[in-house]
Amino acid sequence: EAGVAQSPRYKIIEKRQSVAFWCNPISGHATLYWYQQILGQGPKLLIQFQNNGVVDDSQLPKDRFSAERLKGVDSTLKIQPAKLEDSAVYLCASSLDPPGGTQYFGPGTRLLVL
Amino acid sequence: RKEVEQDPGPFNVPEGATVAFNCTYSNSASQSFFWYRQDCRKEPKLLMSVYSSGNEDGRFTAQLNRASQYISLLIRDSKLSDSATYLCVVIRTGNQFYFGTGTSLTVIP
Repeated sequence: EAGVAQSPRYKIIEKRQSVAFWCNPISGHATLYWYQQILGQGPKLLIQFQNNGVVDDSQLPKDRFSAERLKGVDSTLKIQPAKLEDSAVYLCASSLDPPGGTQYFGPGTRLLVL
Repeated sequence: RKEVEQDPGPFNVPEGATVAFNCTYSNSASQSFFWYRQDCRKEPKLLMSVYSSGNEDGRFTAQLNRASQYISLLIRDSKLSDSATYLCVVIRTGNQFYFGTGTSLTVIP
C-alpha cells in the first residue's frame, strides 16, 4: 500500500516569498492533517480536513497560511508571505475515520526561510 | 497551559537499562492516548496505545492514570535501536490529535 506522499522534500526561500506544499494521502483516508514541526518541538496541528471540509484550523495563521483539499483527496498548504519563523518541517498525515489512534505521516517538507 | 506536556530530556542511558517517560495532559475530556516514536529526521510513527489497565508490547509498557491525567512509557532492557524521540499523543473529540514536545532518548553502548 502506498504511503502518504509529499512534495517537495526540501525548499529554501527568502522571507516575503511564497511557497506551496502538496500532499497526497493514503487512498480511502477521509481525514487529512497538516502539522508544523519546529526543531526540538512536537508536531503542531495547523489544519484538519474531513473529506474536503475543514474540521479545525484554529492554529493556522490565517493572515499568511492557507490550505485547501479539493475533491477530498490531495491537499495543498501555502505560505504567503513567508517569515523567518516559518522555518520548520511541514508534515502531512492521513487517517481513517475514526482514526483509532493511527495517523500515517508523509516524509515531510523541510522549509528554510532566509 | 499546553494540552500535553512532556519532559524533553534528553535521557542518555546504557544498553540494558530501564527507562521511563512521563506525560501529563490538561483536558479531562481527552478520549484516547498513544505513544508515537520519531527517529531523527523521520516522520512520527505509532508505537503503542495506552490504556488504564496498562498495555505491554514486548519490552515496552504503557500506562494511563485518568485521575491524575498522567501517561507513562516504560522501556526495559534498552537497545541501541530504541534511540529516538518519544511523543505522547492525546486525542479529543473530532479526531483531534495533540502531540507533546517529545522526549529524546539515546541508548549508549
